[in-house]
Amino acid sequence: DTGVSQDPRHKITKRGQNVTFRCDPISEHNRLYWYRQTLGQGPEFLTYFQNEAQLEKSRLLSDRFSAERPKGSFSTLEIQRTEQGDSAMYLCASRPGTGGLYGYTFGSGTRLTVV
Amino acid sequence: AQTVTQSQPEMSVQEAETVTLSCTYDTSESDYYLFWYKQPPSRQMILVIRQEAYKQQNATENRFSVNFQKAAKSFSLKISDSQLGDAAMYFCAYRGSGSARQLTFGSGTQLTVLP
Repeated sequence: DTGVSQDPRHKITKRGQNVTFRCDPISEHNRLYWYRQTLGQGPEFLTYFQNEAQLEKSRLLSDRFSAERPKGSFSTLEIQRTEQGDSAMYLCASRPGTGGLYGYTFGSGTRLTVV
Repeated sequence: AQTVTQSQPEMSVQEAETVTLSCTYDTSESDYYLFWYKQPPSRQMILVIRQEAYKQQNATENRFSVNFQKAAKSFSLKISDSQLGDAAMYFCAYRGSGSARQLTFGSGTQLTVLP
């Protein structure tokens, strides 16, 4: 297992199109997070899964965003009717257990550009 | 809501010298965890060091150490014997007791290491 994988690495799309990103966490990690990072800023929390259950969503996650984690394995993040403001790096992170010091492992991210 | 502030957008250090990156946070919680992450250009976020708030002893990882001042809500990172490979964006992050255990990040400090 080589860590958290995200696909694609880069995505350019036209405004109004739908896009979907995939995250494959470390296999034994049952917690999965999506973050959004704009240029020059720190990542902002979008949503959280424990196994297949989506337990928390940030108010940043508008109705155009939807995330799934079928069977508690990989996760997808879909953005419908993309807008230029959606241009950002989308990061996925996973971790095991409930202890505070369990490490969060991040993927390399998907950079979305909406033109 | 918790906030994390990094007041130094950019810092530079000579190779082999020591540099300190600042971080302050605001919280009403007594039990939490603090992290420093490193993000090299176009590469994934890597955990540098972490600290449990209930521990008075400052965490140390090789050349990296923190100065944790709980009363002042300050969590600075000291990098000793700086190396060219330390050049990156550094993010301070807070993890509280919320159900999702998500990280709240600061806006980052871009560290340049001068040869």
